Amino acid sequence: DIQMTQSPSSLSASVGDRVTITCQASQDISYYLNWFQQKPGKAPTLLIYGASNLETGVPSRFSGSGSGTDFTFTISSLHPEDFATYYCQQYQNVPLTFGGGTKVEIK
Amino acid sequence: EVNLVESGGGLVQPGQSLRLSCTVSGFTLSDYVMSWFRQAPGKGLEWVGFTKNKASGGTTDYAASVKGRFTISRDDSKSIAYLQMTSLKSEDTAVYYCARGYSSLWGQGTLVIVSS
Repeated sequence: DIQMTQSPSSLSASVGDRVTITCQASQDISYYLNWFQQKPGKAPTLLIYGASNLETGVPSRFSGSGSGTDFTFTISSLHPEDFATYYCQQYQNVPLTFGGGTKVEIK
Repeated sequence: EVNLVESGGGLVQPGQSLRLSCTVSGFTLSDYVMSWFRQAPGKGLEWVGFTKNKASGGTTDYAASVKGRFTISRDDSKSIAYLQMTSLKSEDTAVYYCARGYSSLWGQGTLVIVSS
């Protein structure tokens, strides 16, 4: 199975801050990586697919980069509605696997 | 509007069975792979399995933790995907989500509690 190591597991930030989350795959997954946002009691929503492609309707302050084993997710300027948990997910191989999540909290 | 709605969750005893449904609207089910995921209380996301549409081979695949106990099926004519769960264990307690494709769009989830 491909292990996805996501860091940090949590962070505190202020509105307007730039936030960066990393995700490392245990083997080469090319560009087969998604980033999701999940708010409490809600289903995850897809933000980024194919490592760097913004899902339709997702604000441009969200971005993703990387390929192979190392990936980065960035929120360029944190908005109040961005406080949530973020997950990476690889879909190169079955089983599909997720990172452990990053909880973005208000500082 | 594209929508996925899970139903069928509830409280069951260990060893019992439960069938979840995922009713879709706003798109043609037969055009898509359909996946199931779950999230135990306070935990992260876990892939359960998927059913491929005929154009993609029509096969199913499962996580090791549910293989042999869970079965995913689909009725494209009714626009419903199913997750049949048998021999349920306490560790199967989770919110179960269906998703279009391998994970592009998710339903709101349905809670399954396995407890005596």
